[in-house]
Amino acid sequence: QTVVTQEPSLTVSPGGTVTLTCASSTGAVTSGSYPNWFQQKPGQAPRALIYSTSNRHSWTPARFSGSLLGGKAALTLSGVQPEDEAEYYCLLYYGGVRVFGTGTKVTVL
Amino acid sequence: QLQLQESGPGLVKPSETLSLTCTVSGGSISSSNYYWGWIRQPPGKGLEWIGSMYYSGSTYYNPSLKSRVTISVDTSKNQFSLKLSSVTAADTAVYFCARHLHSGSHYSIDYWGQGTLVTVSS
Repeated sequence: QTVVTQEPSLTVSPGGTVTLTCASSTGAVTSGSYPNWFQQKPGQAPRALIYSTSNRHSWTPARFSGSLLGGKAALTLSGVQPEDEAEYYCLLYYGGVRVFGTGTKVTVL
Repeated sequence: QLQLQESGPGLVKPSETLSLTCTVSGGSISSSNYYWGWIRQPPGKGLEWIGSMYYSGSTYYNPSLKSRVTISVDTSKNQFSLKLSSVTAADTAVYFCARHLHSGSHYSIDYWGQGTLVTVSS
């Protein structure tokens, strides 16, 4: 069974930059895995941020960017705002199967 | 603005079948390139993809749930449904319906319902 691993938690200062990563147990993450990123705040449904590695949805602030980094998918938050404190999940596409990452709790402190 | 809304029983007995419906408004469930699917989240845990279906019948399921899951689409009502059989306490979760985009060069899950908590208990 494929496992997609993220950092359990990261802390960032307001106005700072933080990068989250998403690794696959099957090997390097490529654009063919169409990495997606989601933000979830307590008690809310996840909100889509990034699709197909680096594409923002129309509602995604420009401070969120996606990329591939060292064989992993990555989400970078630049100029972090207090409201960015949340859980972040990646999703990888393996043909007929999609697998969510384990999630990263981002604390803005 | 596309909206999705889950509905169904909040309590299901062990060994019975969980049934949920997602009503889509603000867009057609028969739109090209869009699949319609389900994702769940046990209390305090992460997200788990359950499966998705195209309006014409093509389906994808999580292999770990495949033997118990059926997703169906009713284009006349602009709804799609989830059935999960032989449930146990491990199936207790918030269930989300969501739209999946499949195009030649892109894949995304963009719009989500608010989620509905289903508890499996006698």
